[in-house]
Amino acid sequence: GQNIDQPTEMTATEGAIVQINCTYQTSGFNGLFWYQQHAGEAPTFLSYNVLDGLEEKGRFSSFLSRSKGYSYLLLKELQMKDSASYLCAAMDSNYQLIWGAGTKLIIKP
Amino acid sequence: DTAVSQTPKYLVTQMGNDKSIKCEQNLGHDTMYWYKQDSKKFLKIMFSYNNKELIINETVPNRFSPKSPDKAHLNLHINSLELGDSAVYFCASSQGSGGHTDTQYFGPGTRLTVL
Repeated sequence: GQNIDQPTEMTATEGAIVQINCTYQTSGFNGLFWYQQHAGEAPTFLSYNVLDGLEEKGRFSSFLSRSKGYSYLLLKELQMKDSASYLCAAMDSNYQLIWGAGTKLIIKP
Repeated sequence: DTAVSQTPKYLVTQMGNDKSIKCEQNLGHDTMYWYKQDSKKFLKIMFSYNNKELIINETVPNRFSPKSPDKAHLNLHINSLELGDSAVYFCASSQGSGGHTDTQYFGPGTRLTVL
């Protein structure tokens, strides 16, 4: 079956760095997406990886290892506004997104 | 300009009623989706349309019927509403050409409460 695993909740301190891990099992693979969802709002796109390696975009970076079925989202210089859920989603061979349940990130002052 | 819009934002109704949620995108995308997000925050795909044709139809009660009058609109009609239908329903769209162009853009969501 197809499956995405990510931690349910993480806590970090303002100004620090946090890494949110995601492992996936899909029938075929056409890329890995990360979305951010603030409470009561819609998910918004953060990053897309299809090749192995690190993609950096400002304070956020995303890493992919296809051989390990593994990705992480790295958030640097954490701000209070980064408190949100972070959703990992893998695209299968039919270009269908398989979603994880999301990681709720709590930022403390 | 709003890229993906949904109406209404909130919907409170009684069990057994029939209701519709409308979705429109002005991004020129070919593919549109309906998702259900329950209280546990898990996003579950319900339907996907590409150029007005149904391409994904997950195991959803047949009380739920999508309608796509054109590729910019995908409406969701729900018959005989049940308590378990209470959730947030998100519409999304993507270019649908594969890879990075399959980034999905979400509407603001419709919070449905069935009493």
